[in-house]
Amino acid sequence: EVQVVESGGGLVQPGGSLRLSCAASGFTFSSYWMSWVRQAPGKGLEWVANINQDASEQDYVASVKGRFTISRDSAKNSLYLQMNSLRVEDTAVYYCAREMRFRTGPGGIRLYYYYMDVWGKGTTVTVSS
Amino acid sequence: QTVVTQEPSFSVSPGGTVTLTCGLSSGSVSASYYPSWYQQTPGQAPRPLIYRTNTRSSGVPDRFSGSILGNKAALTITGAQADDESDYYCVLYMSSGWVFGGGTKLTVL
Repeated sequence: EVQVVESGGGLVQPGGSLRLSCAASGFTFSSYWMSWVRQAPGKGLEWVANINQDASEQDYVASVKGRFTISRDSAKNSLYLQMNSLRVEDTAVYYCAREMRFRTGPGGIRLYYYYMDVWGKGTTVTVSS
Repeated sequence: QTVVTQEPSFSVSPGGTVTLTCGLSSGSVSASYYPSWYQQTPGQAPRPLIYRTNTRSSGVPDRFSGSILGNKAALTITGAQADDESDYYCVLYMSSGWVFGGGTKLTVL
């Protein structure tokens, strides 16, 4: 079964740090871009960061740049989000998601999709004093 | 800053048809943004519904369809059912990364 499972959430004080993990199984983890998406209580979804297959590219939403670092370990089929200098407004459920960007069809033709096709159940981060 | 716009709420009668839209604060949504749609019920993870504008994800009933209507992406539910009552999010793939709309809360009554 294709799945991703998040862990590492918890209660942390403002200014503190937390590291989230996402364990992937049922697919070739090293072949996919991966993303973190969060949802503050009662609010909508917000993309946080993503990373390419060999970790040579990372991108972040402006509000977390310089504070959060996304990484991956393909040997462990795991994705991580190191969160430093946490703020009250970082309080949210954090989801790990697989990005489906393209498939290669007959004749080597790439068909592009660009969507998040596998989601975990999320892990809750609460930043409060 | 790019803002993706969605109706905050919508209501549809059981068996009825509803179209939710996904626009941009500046400019038009086109297929080149690969609009996708997700359904979320309270306490659950988002579920992919539509990708690449109009392709249904695996297992999604054909009463859900996607399109470009004018300058917006659209999600149409034909023959709405009670369990379609959910939050619906669109997301666009842009040069600045993935940008989600604010979501539409759909009520079926």
